[in-house]
Amino acid sequence: SAVISQKPSRDICQRGTSLTIQCQVDSQVTMMFWYRQQPGQSLTLIATANQGSEATYESGFVIDKFPISRPNLTFSTLTVSNMSPEDSSIYLCSVALAVRTPDYSSYGYTFGSGTRLTVV
Amino acid sequence: QQPVQSPQAVILREGEDAVINCSSSKALYSVHWYRQKHGEAPVFLMILLKGGEQKGHEKISASFNEKKQQSSLYLTASQLSYSGTYFCGTERSSGGTSYGKLTFGQGTILTVHP
Repeated sequence: SAVISQKPSRDICQRGTSLTIQCQVDSQVTMMFWYRQQPGQSLTLIATANQGSEATYESGFVIDKFPISRPNLTFSTLTVSNMSPEDSSIYLCSVALAVRTPDYSSYGYTFGSGTRLTVV
Repeated sequence: QQPVQSPQAVILREGEDAVINCSSSKALYSVHWYRQKHGEAPVFLMILLKGGEQKGHEKISASFNEKKQQSSLYLTASQLSYSGTYFCGTERSSGGTSYGKLTFGQGTILTVHP
């Protein structure tokens, strides 16, 4: 299975500043996804990042607040801009990769280890 | 629209069984199941594609009823390592085409005691 490296793993930031989160995959993937998980909550999709095109944002998320770059098939960044305490959350990148077990071959979404962001 | 999971929490003793349900009001292309341990990223367990198939490995299996847009995750003879939060993730279908993105349920917290 592929490996996703996400960094930073955690950060404490001042309100009004921005943080860029990086996600590196050790294989080429067409789509990368960015999720947010608030404490004790489920995962919410922020946007889908395709290489060579603009990211597609979900309802409630806008490019000015969460600009995304996807310069190649193995790398993406998510920036959390003009942060407020409400942005405190865990941010995760994800890719769909083949999953092979003794019984079947299918695909599943693999997640980076996450970035725990605290805005003070 | 977020799929609905039930129950919200389950407490078991080792060796007991559990069923976690996931229900959607929208037509689905596939259902995924993930387990997340505290402080870690979600880990893929399995995917079920429309067609009513059932899959499993070891003592964890799942089914997908396409007509009802429901999926169930079955954990048998639970082990301490099964503890965590289980999420279903659904892919919607439109004319048979998957959007390729997941909408997650609110999660079911499973706790297994010795």
